[in-house]
Amino acid sequence: KAGVTQTPRYLIKTRGQQVTLSCSPISGHRSVSWYQQTPGQGLQFLFEYFSETQRNKGNFPGRFSGRQFSNSRSEMNVSTLELGDSALYLCASSLEQSSYNEQFFGPGTRLTVL
Amino acid sequence: AQSVTQPDIHITVSEGASLELRCNYSYGATPYLFWYVQSPGQGLQLLLKYFSGDTLVQGIKGFEAEFKRSQSSFNLRKPSVHWSDAAEYFCAVGAGDSNYQLIWGAGTKLIIKP
Repeated sequence: KAGVTQTPRYLIKTRGQQVTLSCSPISGHRSVSWYQQTPGQGLQFLFEYFSETQRNKGNFPGRFSGRQFSNSRSEMNVSTLELGDSALYLCASSLEQSSYNEQFFGPGTRLTVL
Repeated sequence: AQSVTQPDIHITVSEGASLELRCNYSYGATPYLFWYVQSPGQGLQLLLKYFSGDTLVQGIKGFEAEFKRSQSSFNLRKPSVHWSDAAEYFCAVGAGDSNYQLIWGAGTKLIIKP
């Protein structure tokens, strides 16, 4: 079956703009988690959605938001972009809650903020 | 608060040598434990996981990990590394609680010397 897909793969934006990233989980998976990965910071958890409800949220400002649709596809939005938002954004899906299930990761969206 | 520590940011080993990557966690009950690998240019992939039972678990690519409750550790081992094992390795800790957020270590980058 198809893996986790993320679009777009690469994105260049300028400060102050907003961006929307998309994630399509593996068919049948109900949980989608988002992570920010930067060199030296490892994986920073953004939020997890399960059956269209945000279950958990990491320690990120309100500029970072997300949602999940009824088909489990998820979007992440970052408003008023800052230079420090440049990172690889990873999406992961799992059958159930991520805290006790294997997560399957997408290739990521590389966001560059100029 | 729950936490995961991977004390080694980088580890360099010679090809054919044995490997041990350390992971220590702080959690009140028996956790769900995971090791993921991120190879250059590839997405994160689950190596192995521990939920209960035998404390020595076998994973893919010849890796194994041992859960030691008394030491709150879940160290990853491989008897003989190959150049293709060069990657970044992440330890993660979860719980059976559906509202529990998966906690990630900062990662250990493995460098293989020829």
